[in-house]
Amino acid sequence: EAGVAQSPRYKIIEKRQSVAFWCNPISGHATLYWYQQILGQGPKLLIQFQNNGVVDDSQLPKDRFSAERLKGVDSTLKIQPAKLEDSAVYLCASSLDQDGSGNPTDTQYFGPGTRLTVL
Amino acid sequence: AQRVTQPEKLLSVFKGAPVELKCNYSYSGSPELFWYVQYSRQRLQLLLRHISRESIKGFTADLNKGETSFHLKKPFAQEEDSAMYYCALYTGGFKTIFGAGTRLFVKA
Repeated sequence: EAGVAQSPRYKIIEKRQSVAFWCNPISGHATLYWYQQILGQGPKLLIQFQNNGVVDDSQLPKDRFSAERLKGVDSTLKIQPAKLEDSAVYLCASSLDQDGSGNPTDTQYFGPGTRLTVL
Repeated sequence: AQRVTQPEKLLSVFKGAPVELKCNYSYSGSPELFWYVQYSRQRLQLLLRHISRESIKGFTADLNKGETSFHLKKPFAQEEDSAMYYCALYTGGFKTIFGAGTRLFVKA
């Protein structure tokens, strides 16, 4: 099966500019996650979608970050305006709600990430 | 507070030596724990989850609720095990918390 796709892979912008990232999850995966991974740290959840609804966005800096998943498939994450501290790798992941036996699962499948550098 | 702690940022062992990557968690409910691995130039991927009670690539991890730990172990490390390892806690409501990670370096 095709994996989670993300684009672009790298992005360099100046502070106060805007940037958008795109994610295409594994087909059939209802749950989609955006993580921010700052150098030397583990992934931190920014926002989680269940189909096209938001499940958790408690750690999303809503004054500058926004995300949408309009048709319950692809998703975009936007930063406007960017700050220096937004430099990080942005990871998208997806998961099934349950496995083939009907058991709950949160095994997440990750994309390659987008490395953002804000100058 | 829900938290995952990986006390070692870097762990270096010789090939053939046993390896243990430590993970401690803080969670009042019934935890579900995972180990994820990221090899060089590859994406983050699941290594194993505690409810499966399986051994993957020679690695095992046992959930110790008394010590709130989920340490990852392998009796004989191989060079190809060199990677970044993340312990993760699933708290239900589809929320996963990751530790900061431990870089394992296996020396020849």
